[in-house]
Amino acid sequence: SQQGEEDPQALSIQEGENATMNCSYKTSINNLQWYRQNSGRGLVHLILIRSNEREKHSGRLRVTLDTSKKSSSLLITASRAADTASYFCATTAAGNKLTFGGGTRVLVKP
Amino acid sequence: DTGVSQNPRHKITKRGQNVTFRCDPISEHNRLYWYRQTLGQGPEFLTYFQNEAQLEKSRLLSDRFSAERPKGSFSTLEIQRTEQGDSAMYLCASSGAGTVSGNTIYFGEGSWLTVV
Repeated sequence: SQQGEEDPQALSIQEGENATMNCSYKTSINNLQWYRQNSGRGLVHLILIRSNEREKHSGRLRVTLDTSKKSSSLLITASRAADTASYFCATTAAGNKLTFGGGTRVLVKP
Repeated sequence: DTGVSQNPRHKITKRGQNVTFRCDPISEHNRLYWYRQTLGQGPEFLTYFQNEAQLEKSRLLSDRFSAERPKGSFSTLEIQRTEQGDSAMYLCASSGAGTVSGNTIYFGEGSWLTVV
């Protein structure tokens, strides 16, 4: 079963706009990781946020984590056509395995 | 560091045949994971190794599936008597021996299986 759910399921924006997607999960976690997946390809790790962290930045990416609401958000600023992909959040709880949500499909139009 | 390597990248097989996928993790990563992903869905956990020990198996991993990591380095995932429902992308991932809270998990490019 999947731990989390991403919202929205799909997002279409113009190049230069910001893209925000949310992830909710059900159980206590050790960390939450965001991944990008281009069509037919593997998963590329974007950012890891620990359960005791609230916000992290990496380049044009900003991730927040609210453990009281069991939710996270990923913001991509100044989007580019190359950001077109599916984005997944995944949580690590007891044990080491990742549990994924269903993903957000992002289309950035040039 | 060449990343997680998987082969073959694509496999088309007839129903009932056996297939084997190989995964070479990032060197010195002691944790190795297998996931399965179908179109439009997120990856689903199949199994996890720490060194050569298989520590967890999902209920998705039926008796027709077997995974090994004999020397704690590369791993193989074998599917026996393939069925059309096995068609999916099989993803391998690895991570180091750090604490779970800070442990980034890296994925390979996946192996596509089509059962006809």
